[in-house]
Amino acid sequence: EVHLVDSGGGLVRPGGSLRLSCAASGFTFSSFAMSWVRQVPGKGLEWVSGINDDGSNTYYADSVQGRFIISRDKSKNTLFLQMNSLRADDTAIYYCAKEIAGLGRPLFDHWGQGTPVTVSS
Amino acid sequence: EVVLTQSPGTLSLSPGERATLSCRASHSVSSNDLGWYQQKPGQAPRLLIYATSGRATGIPDRFSGSGSGTDFTLTISRLEPEDFAMYYCQHYDGSVTFGGGTKVEIK
Repeated sequence: EVHLVDSGGGLVRPGGSLRLSCAASGFTFSSFAMSWVRQVPGKGLEWVSGINDDGSNTYYADSVQGRFIISRDKSKNTLFLQMNSLRADDTAIYYCAKEIAGLGRPLFDHWGQGTPVTVSS
Repeated sequence: EVVLTQSPGTLSLSPGERATLSCRASHSVSSNDLGWYQQKPGQAPRLLIYATSGRATGIPDRFSGSGSGTDFTLTISRLEPEDFAMYYCQHYDGSVTFGGGTKVEIK
């Protein structure tokens, strides 16, 4: 059974940094592209960043380009999101998500439970 | 970047009724890149439909998707109590975008 466990969220001051993790199990982690998607409580979904299966290509939303870095460690079956220069509007629940097999497109068939990030002084 | 507009914002229906949710794209898109998710309060989204009309694993056949070009539809043929939730469409064209969502609530 596929399982994604998000962690690393918390309270951070504006300008600070945080590193999110997503521990994956139940599938061949190195065969699937992954993404981070965030959601302000009570609001809609916003894609943040994606990474291909071997980590050689990364993608970012304009809102986080230059501040966030996505990476993956296949030996640990873990996805990361390094978030720097955090702003109040980065406050959200952050979900990792696994791409569905066979499409070659970022549609997400499994999600983590989410980890909350609050940026506030 | 495509903009996805979902309507209505809220749909008030009774169990057993048919729900029709709309997702309109700002320009014509490939049907291969359109999906639908369901989200309940406090939970992560769940993929329902991929490539416009493909049902994801474990999704009941009362959920169906259709459409092409700029207009896409998610239909729930007979609402079950567990279907009252938020629904989002999603598209990919080099960047991933989500619609603003439709809330299906109990009338």
